Amino acid sequence: EAGVAQSPRYKIIEKRQSVAFWCNPISGHATLYWYQQILGQGPKLLIQFQNNGVVDDSQLPKDRFSAERLKGVDSTLKIQPAKLEDSAVYLCASSLYKTYEQYFGPGTRLTVT
Amino acid sequence: AQTVTQSQPEMSVQEAETVTLSCTYDTSENNYYLFWYKQPPSRQMILVIRQEAYKQQNATENRFSVNFQKAAKSFSLKISDSQLGDTAMYFCAFMKLGGNQFYFGTGTSLTVIP
Repeated sequence: EAGVAQSPRYKIIEKRQSVAFWCNPISGHATLYWYQQILGQGPKLLIQFQNNGVVDDSQLPKDRFSAERLKGVDSTLKIQPAKLEDSAVYLCASSLYKTYEQYFGPGTRLTVT
Repeated sequence: AQTVTQSQPEMSVQEAETVTLSCTYDTSENNYYLFWYKQPPSRQMILVIRQEAYKQQNATENRFSVNFQKAAKSFSLKISDSQLGDTAMYFCAFMKLGGNQFYFGTGTSLTVIP
């Protein structure tokens, strides 16, 4: 089966600019996650969707980050405006409903200059 | 709150040798899962092995095995017969039963030396 797809793989922007990341989960996976992985740290959950509803966004900086999952399939994560500290790899993962095993995409490496 | 600690930022091992990566965690939960994930240089995280806290038997997956000590809150990963393809960052992770969120450690960078 096809894995979790993400694009772009790399992005370089200047601070205060906007950026958007896209994720396509594994077919049939109802749950979708966005993680932020800062260099030297483990991934940190930003937001979790169950179908097209938000389950947990407690660690999402809502003043600049937003995410949506229209129609319960693809998802986009947006940062507006970006800060230097947003430089990280943004990982998307998906899982079947109420299972613990998450499948990760290759990530998008964001560099904010 | 759950915390996961990996005290070895970097490790190396000779090809075909055995290496053990350490992980400790802190939780007040009694039922949970523990995981080891591998993240090769391409950065796609791959599940290596998982352990259910209610199982006393240590999990094993081919060359990978764990030493789960619930009372000590310790969960180490042993890689036997190390191969060059094992070179990667390894993350220990915790998830409480019925939960949805991973708590990851900071990772151990493992290099297998030919």
